[in-house]
Amino acid sequence: AQSVTQLDSQVPVFEEAPVELRCNYSSSVSVYLFWYVQYPNQGLQLLLKYLSGSTLVKGINGFEAEFNKSQTSFHLRKPSVHISDTAEYFCAVSDRGGNQFYFGTGTSLTVIP
Amino acid sequence: ETGVTQSPTHLIKTRGQQVTLRCSSQSGHNTVSWYQQALGQGPQFIFQYYREEENGRGNFPPRFSGLQFPNYSSELNVNALELDDSALYLCASSTGLAGEGEQYFGPGTRLTVT
Repeated sequence: AQSVTQLDSQVPVFEEAPVELRCNYSSSVSVYLFWYVQYPNQGLQLLLKYLSGSTLVKGINGFEAEFNKSQTSFHLRKPSVHISDTAEYFCAVSDRGGNQFYFGTGTSLTVIP
Repeated sequence: ETGVTQSPTHLIKTRGQQVTLRCSSQSGHNTVSWYQQALGQGPQFIFQYYREEENGRGNFPPRFSGLQFPNYSSELNVNALELDDSALYLCASSTGLAGEGEQYFGPGTRLTVT
């Protein structure tokens, strides 16, 4: 079984500042990696995913993430956050068979005006 | 195109009872996955159904079972409810397996076991 660790449960950041949300996974095999976001009172939606190819992945709303195989990490970044980015962010991993899926415990991002 | 819907929104059951939760997937999506999300935790993968057959299961006992129907609807059944089963239950649909692409999540069913 795999596990996903989101190192920060809460991240407060001022508006227009950069942010990085950290994610590490434990796996000795190739995986697919995802970031999902849950805005207040809304369902989970996909932010970005890494399946193969370039290790730098760009997603919606200006977010990007970098896959680092040697460090088994998939950190999420945004150069300048907005108030509307306040949400819960979940990192997730699946095996390449696609029939197992694991979420981290989430990071609550609060953007301060 | 309608989104993923779930019913009921909230449910209260007594320990030992059985419960059925329902999900309606997006049209054209042949995979449905179910998750349990306890308060303050990330969703935990229960299982997924691909073309009406179970294809992948998380660390949940057999009293958690499911069905997927040809009309894009699905059910999660939980027998012999325990207090720890109290959680938000999410379903998600996708055009491929859960781990291969984008999943579209429903709003969830809040189950309380007393």
